[in-house]
Amino acid sequence: DTAVSQTPKYLVTQMGNDKSIKCEQNLGHDTMYWYKQDSKKFLKIMFSYNNKELIINETVPNRFSPKSPDKAHLNLHINSLELGDSAVYFCASSQGLNGGWAFFGQGTRLTVV
Amino acid sequence: SQQGEEDPQALSIQEGENATMNCSYKTSINNLQWYRQNSGRGLVHLILIRSNEREKHSGRLRVTLDTSKKSSSLLITASRAADTASYFCALYNQGGKLIFGQGTELSVKP
Repeated sequence: DTAVSQTPKYLVTQMGNDKSIKCEQNLGHDTMYWYKQDSKKFLKIMFSYNNKELIINETVPNRFSPKSPDKAHLNLHINSLELGDSAVYFCASSQGLNGGWAFFGQGTRLTVV
Repeated sequence: SQQGEEDPQALSIQEGENATMNCSYKTSINNLQWYRQNSGRGLVHLILIRSNEREKHSGRLRVTLDTSKKSSSLLITASRAADTASYFCALYNQGGKLIFGQGTELSVKP
């Protein structure tokens, strides 16, 4: 069983479109994250949720809106996609806010053309 | 900057040699974590070292932490071609953030 799964794995879309990436974890974790990895492999934290509540929002444009319908899911919706949004987006989860391991999904490679 | 700064950015060695990667940071931390990322894959955790610990081992991996110098190192002994990957340090701070460095790309040649 995959611990943290993201869909889709690849996403190619045109500028201006709206798209969503889904993430689910079956680890029973309380905390979930979204990270963006650019072409230089730098991993930037975007959002963190704990028990469905947003706790970290790292100066991400309003076009990005996370949604956590329950503790096991954290989806990322992106409006009006721009070329600069092209990157690999990773979902991750951890036990809670006690500083434990993060478990990562396989990533979603988003290409905006 | 809250993130760790990794050094070197790239490292190329022969199989059997040791690989050392360093991570320096500026903020206070609860713990420091090391992750590995194979090409095209997600990150996998390797070792977590708490701020009151100085050294941890896991198989061929050894991590040290010097909080007075705000630095950590990851040593991979007797490297193998399969160790080829990117290695990241990540800082966990009081605010519940897990912040990653820019990584070290390790290439182990057979």
